[in-house]
Amino acid sequence: AQKITQTQPGMFVQEKEAVTLDCTYDTSDPSYGLFWYKQPSSGEMIFLIYQGSYDQQNATEGRYSLNFQKARKSANLVISASQLGDSAMYFCAMSESNTGNQFYFGTGTSLTVIP
Amino acid sequence: ETGVTQTPRHLVMGMTNKKSLKCEQHLGHNAMYWYKQSAKKPLELMFVYNFKEQTENNSVPSRFSPECPNSSHLFLHLHTLQPEDSALYLCASSPRAGGRREQYFGPGTRLTVT
Repeated sequence: AQKITQTQPGMFVQEKEAVTLDCTYDTSDPSYGLFWYKQPSSGEMIFLIYQGSYDQQNATEGRYSLNFQKARKSANLVISASQLGDSAMYFCAMSESNTGNQFYFGTGTSLTVIP
Repeated sequence: ETGVTQTPRHLVMGMTNKKSLKCEQHLGHNAMYWYKQSAKKPLELMFVYNFKEQTENNSVPSRFSPECPNSSHLFLHLHTLQPEDSALYLCASSPRAGGRREQYFGPGTRLTVT
């Protein structure tokens, strides 16, 4: 079974609008971490935001926030006030405490911001 | 120097060649990673080094051979590759392996095997 599922291959958003990128995960480990990365066309993966499984509040970093719904095993990324520079691939990822140093990525969502 | 550098950025090699990919991190981290990124597939973790010791090898074929001489440098030695090995190879580092460990990635090496 896939550890990380991203069901939106591509998304479009109008500049200055908010957009939600979906991510669901599969784990039986009570201790895990969830990450979002951005990959522009240049190829470099850029860390955006982290949510720990025991964190009580949703993580926020500037215009990025993570909508963490533990019971549903979802960790959606919300980008507010989209900018043209937000156009990129976005990857959700997970690490688990019980699988050593493994790190699992989803297949990604391609976001295009329309002027 | 930027955080994580990778050389070369692009590499074309024949199936009988031997080449090496280099990764260097200037962040003072203790863990380093090699990933393979193929089109339409999730990023695949290949190897993990924590304090120079290999801690993960995810069933990677022996034609890929990693080397970590110190916490700042990581190599991936390639020999007798197959065309399906063509991909973007990403190196990453983190303060340590385990726990919260957001990783910082290099720009990748685009490898083409002919």
